[in-house]
Amino acid sequence: AQSVTQPDIHITVSEGASLELRCNYSYGATPYLFWYVQSPGQGLQLLLKYFSGDTLVQGIKGFEAEFKRSQSSFNLRKPSVHWSDAAEYFCAVLFPNTGFQKLVFGTGTRLLVSP
Amino acid sequence: DSGVTQTPKHLITATGQRVTLRCSPRSGDLSVYWYQQSLDQGLQFLIQYYNGEERAKGNILERFSAQQFPDLHSELNLSSLELGDSALYFCASSVGDSGGTDTQYFGPGTRLTVL
Repeated sequence: AQSVTQPDIHITVSEGASLELRCNYSYGATPYLFWYVQSPGQGLQLLLKYFSGDTLVQGIKGFEAEFKRSQSSFNLRKPSVHWSDAAEYFCAVLFPNTGFQKLVFGTGTRLLVSP
Repeated sequence: DSGVTQTPKHLITATGQRVTLRCSPRSGDLSVYWYQQSLDQGLQFLIQYYNGEERAKGNILERFSAQQFPDLHSELNLSSLELGDSALYFCASSVGDSGGTDTQYFGPGTRLTVL
C-alpha cells in the first residue's frame, strides 16, 4: 500500500546549524512530492514541490529538497537554521493511481531550534 | 495570510450534534479542499470541489458532507458528532482542478471540540 513516512517525530537543532528532515514513500512509480510547514496556530504553507526533472529542488525560506529515486526519499534540507524555522514540517505525496488528486501526508516532524 | 478564510476559528459542541464549517477560497480560485488534522489520524484529505462539483473524495465519513456554492465558498457539514471528531479542520484552495500541479493555499483552520 502507498504510504508516506517521516521517521523523526521531533528534531532539535542549534540555531545556525544545518538541518535535514527525512521523508520516504512507498510506491513503485515516481509520485509528486511536497514539503509543507505549519507554524503554531497557522495553516500549512508550501515550501517546495517536485514533479520531474532536476532532482534538487529549491524552495522558499532557504529550503531545498533532493529526490532520490533509488531510496524513495525526498529529504528537506537547510544549511543554516534560524529560530523562526521552529515549526512542524510535513512531507506530502500525490500518487499516480489517485490521478494525482489526493494529498497523502506524513505524520510530521516537529523542529525545535535551540539558541 | 494565505487569502483563504475559515469560520468559525473555534467550535465547541456536544456529541450527537451537527455543525457547519465555512470556507472562502482565495479570489480567483475554483477548487476547495477539506482536510482533517487529528492526533489519532494525522492530516487527512477529506474531499475536493471544483467549481461546484465534487472532484475527489478521501477518507470522509458518511456522517460528513460538503458542498461548494455558486459564489465558490464551501461548507463542511458534520453530523451525529462523536468525541473522535474533535480535530482541526483545514480548508485549502487552488486555481484549477489539478490537485497535483496547482499549489494549494491553506486557511488557518477551524478547531472543533466535541464534548
